[in-house]
Amino acid sequence: AQTVTQSQPEMSVQEAETVTLSCTYDTSESDYYLFWYKQPPSRQMILVIRQEAYKQQNATENRFSVNFQKAAKSFSLKISDSQLGDAAMYFCAYRSAFQGAQKLVFGQGTRLTINP
Amino acid sequence: DVKVTQSSRYLVKRTGEKVFLECVQDMDHENMFWYRQDPGLGLRLIYFSYDVKMKEKGDIPEGYSVSREKKERFSLILESASTNQTSMYLCASSLTYSPLHFGNGTRLTVT
Repeated sequence: AQTVTQSQPEMSVQEAETVTLSCTYDTSESDYYLFWYKQPPSRQMILVIRQEAYKQQNATENRFSVNFQKAAKSFSLKISDSQLGDAAMYFCAYRSAFQGAQKLVFGQGTRLTINP
Repeated sequence: DVKVTQSSRYLVKRTGEKVFLECVQDMDHENMFWYRQDPGLGLRLIYFSYDVKMKEKGDIPEGYSVSREKKERFSLILESASTNQTSMYLCASSLTYSPLHFGNGTRLTVT
């Protein structure tokens, strides 16, 4: 079974600085998808970014980018120019690319605090 | 925008009660999911459904059951609530091979 590990329960960063959240995963599959979700205090889970394992290029969405290291099974999230609205729980998630596989496997989460 | 609506934001029930958590989505998604969220454990999958009347166990199905009689509605049932089922419950839906869309969660307290 696949597992996802986020080893940083909490992180903090000064507003406008850059922060990197870590995620590692374990799988024997070669094709899969990886995601970062954000959960603000409103509790609404929001998709931040996704990465297809077959793509070597790291995904980028505005101030959010990932460092995908397939051989190391590492998928970190970098947030540039941190803003107060980035404060939230961040979850890393894995999904198999096998036909019919739709469920996500989540990590434990990292609580990000932005200091003004 | 996809809307996934969970019927209650907060719920307090007594031990032994039968509890229904309801989830409705408005985008004709075939896949629906129930997750449980606990501090330090992240989200864990309880049950999911690929189609009406179809259900599959997730990682922690014990003590729970589900019902999907209509495509838009996926209910989570606690047959006899226990204190260790106090948690945040998140419902999600998706089209096949598309990202999950989540509801706002139901915080359930069992006393």
